[in-house]
Amino acid sequence: GEDVEQSLFLSVREGDSSVINCTYTDSSSTYLYWYKQEPGAGLQLLTYIFSNMDMKQDQRLTVLLNKKDKHLSLRIADTQTGDSAIYFCAEGNTGGFKTIFGAGTRLFVKA
Amino acid sequence: NAGVTQTPKFQVLKTGQSMTLQCAQDMNHEYMSWYRQDPGMGLRLIHYSVGAGITDQGEVPNGYNVSRSTTEDFPLRLLSAAPSQTSVYFCASSRGGAGDTQYFGPGTRLTVL
Repeated sequence: GEDVEQSLFLSVREGDSSVINCTYTDSSSTYLYWYKQEPGAGLQLLTYIFSNMDMKQDQRLTVLLNKKDKHLSLRIADTQTGDSAIYFCAEGNTGGFKTIFGAGTRLFVKA
Repeated sequence: NAGVTQTPKFQVLKTGQSMTLQCAQDMNHEYMSWYRQDPGMGLRLIHYSVGAGITDQGEVPNGYNVSRSTTEDFPLRLLSAAPSQTSVYFCASSRGGAGDTQYFGPGTRLTVL
């Protein structure tokens, strides 16, 4: 079945770049998403990329997609303590409601 | 707009009790979903609805019922609570268009003793 995998933890120093990686199995996925979850809150969409794109940049966020290897990454430039959260990679198709989520990567930012 | 609201925020149940988790959205979204979040497992889809009167099962539907009598509301019923249903439950809604994002509620933390 479909599966999304990502490492569970990442620790970086404030000001450094963070790179969170994800692999997925469903090559028919149309959209790849990155969601952010802060403590005690629901998930918030950070960004998404169409499967026919290689890269998307949005301010401090850069998403890279390698369709051949089914590998997705999220780079956060100049990481701040406010970026500490759980980041979920997800793949999906039309409507979004059958989105498959990874287990989430917990990002720790050290001051 | 309030977005997606969920009640209660916290709930403790005893094994065998039943209860309903409430979810409402005021964005006129057609699509609504219920997920559960367990440590190290990401979000798993329980049930979803593509419009009023239409529901379907997700990945982990056993022990849960849903109904969608209005566009706004999508309650999740636990028929006979079990400790394995201890989890954080999230409701989400979306317009349903291609690539449309889901909007998540703040979650309900449920503990079953």
